[in-house]
Amino acid sequence: GAVVSQHPSWVICKSGTSVKIECRSLDFQATTMFWYRQFPKQSLMLMATSNEGSKATYEQGVEKDKFLINHASLTLSTLTVTSAHPEDSSFYICSASAGAHEQFFGPGTRLTVL
Amino acid sequence: QKEVEQDPGPLSVPEGAIVSLNCTYSNSAFQYFMWYRQYSRKGPELLMYTYSSGNKEDGRFTAQVDKSSKYISLFIRDSQPSDSATYLCAMNNAGNMLTFGGGTRLMVKP
Repeated sequence: GAVVSQHPSWVICKSGTSVKIECRSLDFQATTMFWYRQFPKQSLMLMATSNEGSKATYEQGVEKDKFLINHASLTLSTLTVTSAHPEDSSFYICSASAGAHEQFFGPGTRLTVL
Repeated sequence: QKEVEQDPGPLSVPEGAIVSLNCTYSNSAFQYFMWYRQYSRKGPELLMYTYSSGNKEDGRFTAQVDKSSKYISLFIRDSQPSDSATYLCAMNNAGNMLTFGGGTRLMVKP
């Protein structure tokens, strides 16, 4: 149980384009979903927290107009990186929680912006 | 000072060794403690979940929490090359926001 999927697993895009990443909880309803980014050999950095049907709460320093988060249902959240630039290249990981204390993570999406 | 401190390693051990991974924390309100394992280029996988102080065992893995010392440990017995990964401790007090350690990279050599 507690399986979280992400799509795509990797994406390469040109600078200035937008990229959408999907996060799905496959076997449970996620009241809260989290988006993290991770640079090589570094720990997870929380970007934002989203509850179903509500606006996402962004961490300090994360541009909400650049990283658009939608949590339209209890099993799906999307992160759109708008007007991507090479410095946005990173490993983006979502996690989902059913209201308890644990978070269950997706496999991650590697974004490379050329 | 970070809320959760974790030695980044790398920690290199021979196959079959007992591995001890540790985290210290400063927030005495933390009550829920987790260990995640992350393979390279993959998402973290929940290994152990412990509430308050005490021990919890699952197969080759044992999690210990000492709230009086603000210190948690993960022990891996009979370590295998497949255990080579980064291990992240995480904790919270209420709700589901987690505070992570920086992760310890473990290498188990055959």
